[in-house]
Amino acid sequence: GAVVSQHPSWVICKSGTSVKIECRSLDFQATTMFWYRQFPKQSLMLMATSNEGSKATYEQGVEKDKFLINHASLTLSTLTVTSAHPEDSSFYICSADGYVLPYEQYFGPGTRLTVT
Amino acid sequence: AQSVTQLDSQVPVFEEAPVELRCNYSSSVSVYLFWYVQYPNQGLQLLLKYLSGSTLVKGINGFEAEFNKSQTSFHLRKPSVHISDTAEYFCAVSDPNTHMNYGGATNKLIFGTGTLLAVQP
Repeated sequence: GAVVSQHPSWVICKSGTSVKIECRSLDFQATTMFWYRQFPKQSLMLMATSNEGSKATYEQGVEKDKFLINHASLTLSTLTVTSAHPEDSSFYICSADGYVLPYEQYFGPGTRLTVT
Repeated sequence: AQSVTQLDSQVPVFEEAPVELRCNYSSSVSVYLFWYVQYPNQGLQLLLKYLSGSTLVKGINGFEAEFNKSQTSFHLRKPSVHISDTAEYFCAVSDPNTHMNYGGATNKLIFGTGTLLAVQP
């Protein structure tokens, strides 16, 4: 139980285009989803927290207009990287929280974005 | 503000040897503590967590951790490692006072920089 999926697992896009990453909770309802960014050999950096039906809360330094987050349902949150640039290349990981067990976040497998 | 320090970026160890991965945290309030494991190109999997109660916490895959409030530490240990334990290990902290009041929802986690456990045959 408590499985989180991400799609795609790997994406390459050209500079200036936008790319959407989906995060789904497969067997539970996720009231809150988190989006992280991870650079090679580094830790996870929280980008934003999204709650179903409301606007995402972004961490300081994260551009809201560049990283659009939508949490339209209790099982789906999307992260859209707009006008992507090579410096946006990274590993993006989502996690979900949904009462399965207290104080646990369930992580997706991650999406590797490469911008050429 | 809370922070987590993992002093060892990499810990090489031989198979079947014991291992300890160190984690220290900084917080002015009580905290919840977590250890996660990340295998290459994968997301994170929870190994164990400390919320309250017994300071010795047992997790999956034979790992355990001990919460030491006076030393603000939460070191991860395993008595005998396997090749398959090779992975990146992250310590994380969250503030229980900011947790939402409904149904055990979580709040944001602050992660350490990670420790690569490299098990050699």
